[in-house]
Amino acid sequence: ETGVTQTPRHLVMGMTNKKSLKCEQHLGHNAMYWYKQSAKKPLELMFVYNFKEQTENNSVPSRFSPECPNSSHLFLHLHTLQPEDSALYLCASSQTTGPKNYGYTFGSGTRLTVV
Amino acid sequence: DAKTTQPPSMDCAEGRAANLPCNHSTISGNEYVYWYRQIHSQGPQYIIHGLKNNETNEMASLIITEDRKSSTLILPHATLRDTAVYYCIVRALGAGNNRKLIWGLGTSLAVNP
Repeated sequence: ETGVTQTPRHLVMGMTNKKSLKCEQHLGHNAMYWYKQSAKKPLELMFVYNFKEQTENNSVPSRFSPECPNSSHLFLHLHTLQPEDSALYLCASSQTTGPKNYGYTFGSGTRLTVV
Repeated sequence: DAKTTQPPSMDCAEGRAANLPCNHSTISGNEYVYWYRQIHSQGPQYIIHGLKNNETNEMASLIITEDRKSSTLILPHATLRDTAVYYCIVRALGAGNNRKLIWGLGTSLAVNP
């Protein structure tokens, strides 16, 4: 357990479904992130939230909708996805202020399959 | 943030030291070198980071060359559980430096019995 918990671990959804991915961190970090990792490809940053405010949207299609109700929780709402959206979705958190920065703490990810 | 170059794969015998190289010739003065590893189907795990001095923790040692253009991650006594993909990335601290972060494909380390 890394301190960042993602649910569900696995998700299979149809192209017309609506589902949500959940991420929770108990590390007191101020920033949270969504990353996408497709097979044989590098991690791709999707969204960044800093103190609950979205600070970056890396040109992500609107069928992915993030929500950050507080600094500890992050959601990724999914609707009308495509098969090419099948990937490992990773949540991470970090502390971007203060004298020390140990980088990102990642969750175990949600393996998403769109059928 | 600077881009890094790593060999795509390496092998290491169990119990021996694993030395994973990384080139970051365009690193800026305020950028740190971070190492993460990703065991199959899990999220990346932080290993170590440094600016210009060599660093050691309970997991590994990080050797950064004097010109900071390359570094080596050393796992002193590799075990089978160290089999993973190892990522070397460089980034400056603080918010606003995430978009330019380039992860690359890392080095797939296989530790053999």
